Amino acid sequence: SALTQPASVSASPGQSITISCTGTSHDINAYDYVSWYQQYPGRVPKLLIYDVNYLPSGISDRFSGSKSGNTASLTISGLQADDEADYFCSSYTTSSTVIFGGGTKLTVL
Amino acid sequence: EVQLVESGGGLVQPGGSLRLSCAASGFNFNNFAMAWVRQSPGKGLEWVSVVTASGSKTFYADSVKGRFTVSRDRSNSMIYLEMNSLRVEDTAVYYCAKDRMLLWFGEFDHWGQGSLVIVSS
Repeated sequence: SALTQPASVSASPGQSITISCTGTSHDINAYDYVSWYQQYPGRVPKLLIYDVNYLPSGISDRFSGSKSGNTASLTISGLQADDEADYFCSSYTTSSTVIFGGGTKLTVL
Repeated sequence: EVQLVESGGGLVQPGGSLRLSCAASGFNFNNFAMAWVRQSPGKGLEWVSVVTASGSKTFYADSVKGRFTVSRDRSNSMIYLEMNSLRVEDTAVYYCAKDRMLLWFGEFDHWGQGSLVIVSS
């Protein structure tokens, strides 16, 4: 089954939010191959974070990632209107597969 | 510029078959694992399968194991997803995705635009 994410989070512009992603000892707690993706409605997913806390080129440093045990987290600081999107976590697993989270809808109030 | 272009989607009846293709360009195709990820309408992402850079290994989600087959043509920078015994629940947009590294660790830095597969009678 999927990694566990909150279905939705909301905050005002300028604030910070954290989205959690909970897995098991077979995925998140097993490796540091945790990624986060941003997806706007009708658009293709975009890699935001890889290897728990690394940013691909061109991604704002307002995005950051972390991990503790079975739970990974995505933090967005200084929220902006165009951060409103769906966010998905993913992890490599001990079975050489990939598991995604169910997704979190971020609303910027 | 990395480009991934899927094709082959469409409407198919339950129990039918379909073959998706993904044409890759703009990077050294033979140095990266390539995967398929799907997204049912209004739902989340679901990883489907991967073929390693060498093409020697493939892995599948339990939901498609035994029904889907992934392959790659290293000469033509193409990957394929052969889908058999299709079910209604296979209805989704299927994305071709490039892994970030040579070794397969499931982190996708480029995605195609997707190909819609509808399984319905």
